[in-house]
Amino acid sequence: AQTVTQSQPEMSVQEAETVTLSCTYDTSENNYYLFWYKQPPSRQMILVIRQEAYKQQNATENRFSVNFQKAAKSFSLKISDSQLGDTAMYFCAFGLQDSGGSNYKLTFGKGTLLTVNP
Amino acid sequence: EPEVTQTPSHQVTQMGQEVILRCVPISNHLYFYWYRQILGQKVEFLVSFYNNEISEKSEIFDDQFSVERPDGSNFTLKIRSTKLEDSAMYFCASNGFGRRGHYTEAFFGQGTRLTVV
Repeated sequence: AQTVTQSQPEMSVQEAETVTLSCTYDTSENNYYLFWYKQPPSRQMILVIRQEAYKQQNATENRFSVNFQKAAKSFSLKISDSQLGDTAMYFCAFGLQDSGGSNYKLTFGKGTLLTVNP
Repeated sequence: EPEVTQTPSHQVTQMGQEVILRCVPISNHLYFYWYRQILGQKVEFLVSFYNNEISEKSEIFDDQFSVERPDGSNFTLKIRSTKLEDSAMYFCASNGFGRRGHYTEAFFGQGTRLTVV
């Protein structure tokens, strides 16, 4: 079974600064996906960024980037130039594909509540 | 942009009553999921569904729960006899092929807040 650990229940950052959210996971699998989802107060789950385990290059998406360390089973999210709209709960998630290659249920961490202060 | 839609956004029901949560996945997606988030806790996988049958379910998904795709577009989660501890946010998600032929990540609906009183 897979586990995902987010060790920071809450974090805060000043607007325009950079913040890093940590995530570690445990698995014996070799091929998997990792995700960061954002959940604003509206409680909708919004995909922030995705990383395939077979790719060595870290994923980036505008102000969001990850530091994926496969051997250490670490997957941190860096938010640059933080904006007030980034205030949300952030969930790290692990996705394992089935043998057919398409179904992958997600295992989520407990989340980190990020507050961006003006 | 296509999206997963869920109805209702909020449902209040009495303990012991049956409730049906509805979802319309993205039209060309093939795999469908239900997740649950009890207030203040992490999101938990309930069930995945493919080709009109359950492909995987969690321990939470007991005999009180069932899923169905009755008409090729809707994907429903039924709770037969609700309990207080079923109060949670329920998320529907789907995934399918992207532009490059790879399977996409799961796209989530906006959730249905179920309150059992």
